[in-house]
Amino acid sequence: GQQVMQIPQYQHVQEGEDFTTYCNSSTTLSNIQWYKQRPGGHPVFLIQLVKSGEVKKQKRLTFQFGEAKKNSSLHITATQTTDVGTYFCAGLNAGGTSYGKLTFGQGTILTVHP
Amino acid sequence: ETGVTQTPRHLVMGMTNKKSLKCEQHLGHNAMYWYKQSAKKPLELMFVYNFKEQTENNSVPSRFSPECPNSSHLFLHLHTLQPEDSALYLCASQFLGGTYGYTFGSGTRLTVV
Repeated sequence: GQQVMQIPQYQHVQEGEDFTTYCNSSTTLSNIQWYKQRPGGHPVFLIQLVKSGEVKKQKRLTFQFGEAKKNSSLHITATQTTDVGTYFCAGLNAGGTSYGKLTFGQGTILTVHP
Repeated sequence: ETGVTQTPRHLVMGMTNKKSLKCEQHLGHNAMYWYKQSAKKPLELMFVYNFKEQTENNSVPSRFSPECPNSSHLFLHLHTLQPEDSALYLCASQFLGGTYGYTFGSGTRLTVV
């Protein structure tokens, strides 16, 4: 079945440093979504990427979707303590039979030291 | 509040108990999902309901039984669970065909003793 791998599993940064997490799918994706889960919280939708090579920005966050639609990345510039949490990518399989069904990566846990 | 309400927030149950988790959304979404989140593991899809019809049962043991009486409500009935079933159970909903992703509930933290 479809697998979505995410690296690194953990990332510790000093406040102000940049952070990047990478996501790779074993199959071509229809779209990819990113979620953030604060400690003790639930996943919250950040963004969806659909087009090959797409790049989207949300303030200090930059999201990219690979040309082959099998990988993606999330980059945070100048991290802040409010960025702490687990970042998940989730892919929708292209041509999948279950419309809307996402496969989640295992997440990257980000800690930010002030 | 996320728009997706899950009750109870916490549940401790014995292995012989029967309990139910409830999920409710009034966002007009037409798909609902149950996910299991265990420590150090990816979110595991359990069940998918599109337009109230179950379209996916992701090899979930029969001690978990979903019910979707209408497009706004989703239940997960639990019976004779095992300690390894202890986890955070998350409900999510989505409007299929839209450009927005899942809206998750706050989850039910389940402990099986």
